[in-house]
Amino acid sequence: NAGVTQTPKFQVLKTGQSMTLQCAQDMNHNSMYWYRQDPGMGLRLIYYSASEGTTDKGEVPNGYNVSRLNKREFSLRLESAAPSQTSVYFCASRVRGVEEKLFFGSGTQLSVL
Amino acid sequence: EDQVTQSPEALRLQEGESSSLNCSYTVSGLRGLFWYRQDPGKGPEFLFTLYSAGEEKEKERLKATLTKKESFLHITAPKPEDSATYLCAVHKRGGNEKLTFGTGTRLTIIP
Repeated sequence: NAGVTQTPKFQVLKTGQSMTLQCAQDMNHNSMYWYRQDPGMGLRLIYYSASEGTTDKGEVPNGYNVSRLNKREFSLRLESAAPSQTSVYFCASRVRGVEEKLFFGSGTQLSVL
Repeated sequence: EDQVTQSPEALRLQEGESSSLNCSYTVSGLRGLFWYRQDPGKGPEFLFTLYSAGEEKEKERLKATLTKKESFLHITAPKPEDSATYLCAVHKRGGNEKLTFGTGTRLTIIP
């Protein structure tokens, strides 16, 4: 069972370049999330999708766009990368039930020069 | 504004030396408090969800407790494989999907 799969694991961009981070989950979860993790700041929510066909802004959405392609896949796009977007990006999906919990992918380390 | 403060930032323990990690929170209506473990270069891994003051949950050498202002993660007789960063997060009542995370406690267990 793969869980949440993110690609790529590492990426270096030049300022102004664009790229898309891919995320897929095989747990049939409705909700999916994109977080960024920066030293000393904790994980911060960029965008989320509560169900297929819906997306909403999180805490730090500026400079990003997302697409919920289907129930499994949720992508994050940087249209014009900036050095301030250098970070580690995590995709997550969520199960609700007896105990709510997030399942995270292994992360994408992005450097923007 | 919701706030989560974790202490200490870093903790070094001898193998077998029990201790506690603290998570202090400020939120207007708690829906849930979460503990995660994160190993270097990996995503956070779920440990516990606590919903109300007085609740306790255990898993192997870990025990999480919750009061109205803080949560503790107690580690009993830790082993080197318990070395990791432990993250706390809160979810506010009201339907918003946002979790507020603390910056974590980096735990090192020395053999």
